[in-house]
Parts: sequence; structure tokens; C-alpha cells
Amino acid sequence: KAGVTQTPRYLIKTRGQQVTLSCSPISGHRSVSWYQQTPGQGLQFLFEYFSETQRNKGNFPGRFSGRQFSNSRSEMNVSTLELGDSALYLCASSPKLAGSSTDTQYFGPGTRLTVL
Amino acid sequence: AQSVAQPEDQVNVAEGNPLTVKCTYSVSGNPYLFWYVQYPNRGLQFLLKYITGDNLVKGSYGFEAEFNKSQTSFHLKKPSALVSDSALYFCAVRDGADTGNQFYFGTGTSLTVIP
Repeated sequence: KAGVTQTPRYLIKTRGQQVTLSCSPISGHRSVSWYQQTPGQGLQFLFEYFSETQRNKGNFPGRFSGRQFSNSRSEMNVSTLELGDSALYLCASSPKLAGSSTDTQYFGPGTRLTVL
Repeated sequence: AQSVAQPEDQVNVAEGNPLTVKCTYSVSGNPYLFWYVQYPNRGLQFLLKYITGDNLVKGSYGFEAEFNKSQTSFHLKKPSALVSDSALYFCAVRDGADTGNQFYFGTGTSLTVIP
């Protein structure tokens, strides 16, 4: 079975621009979660989608948004980029809603976003 | 509130020696505990998890973890460290309530195995 894939792997943007990241979960997985990883903060939860609905949301500003399609693929969008948005963005999938089962989350390789 | 703490940012151990990476947790209900490893420029890889049952959990690559409810700890261990174990290790927790809560990750512990 193919793992979680994320595109692009690397991205360079300038302040004020917007960016869209994509995540394809493991086949059959219906839950997709997004995390921001920075050296100082570790992994910070952004949001989780299940059956095309946002089920959980972390403490991030409204500039961060996402969506999930009927095939479970998910996109994350960041508008009006700031320097502090530079991070590794990780996507994770699990078969069911991650917070309501004992399922493991499986992570993709991440998208490295650099904001100049 | 759910949280997990990894008190050591960095752990150094000689190759062949036993290693321990520490994790303590705080949850309102029964804890579900996970360990992940991250190699440079890679995503997180699942190592093991504790849901219920035996307090000693065995996982991938020879790692194991011991759940200690009284000390609210879930330390990761390996009897004999390899240089290839050098990586960033994350502990994560989620409570057992069916509330849709997300995973909470520690800040990570960088493990260096010295040849």
C-alpha cells in the first residue's frame, strides 16, 4: 500500500503571498490531520478532516484553512504569508477519526515551506 | 487539558549501551500513548503504542516502552543502541474519551548514538 504523499516537497514564497499544500492519504483512510513543525514549538496541530468535514481545529489564525475532497485527499491553504509561517507542514492519515479511535496516525514526508 | 512532556531535548548514548527517552503525560481520561521517530528531512514514523493491557509494549526496530500509570510516564527504551537509531523522537498522547480530541505531541528528544 502506498504511504501518505504530500506535494510539493519544498516551497519558497514571499511575505503576503498565499500557498496551497496537498496531501493524499493512504488508500482507505478517511481522516487527514495537518501539523506545523518548527524547531522551537515541535508539532502543533492545525486541523483534522473526516468525510469532507473539519472535525477538530488547533489554535491557529484564520489565515490557515483546509478542505477535504470526496476521495479523502486534503489541501491546506495559508493566506497572507508571514515569515513565522516558515515550517515543515506534515499531513497524517488514519482509517477513522483520529480522536475517537485507537488508530495510529501515519505521516507523510512533509512540505518544507520557506517564507522570505 | 491533555499534554505530554519530554524533559530532555538531547540524549547521547554510546553504541551498544541501553537507551531511554523519557516521556510523561497528562490526560483527563484513560491515556492512549504513542512513540514516533523522525529522521532528517522525513515525516514521522510510528514506533509503538499503548492502548490497554500489558504495561510493556514492544514496537519496531527493537524499541519498547513501559507504561507506568502511577508515575504517568511512558519511557521509550532499547537494550542496545545502534548508530542508526540517531534521530528525533516524539511522544504523543490522546485521551480515551470519544470526544474527537486530537493527538498532542511532545517537543521531541534528539537522540545521538556515539560510535
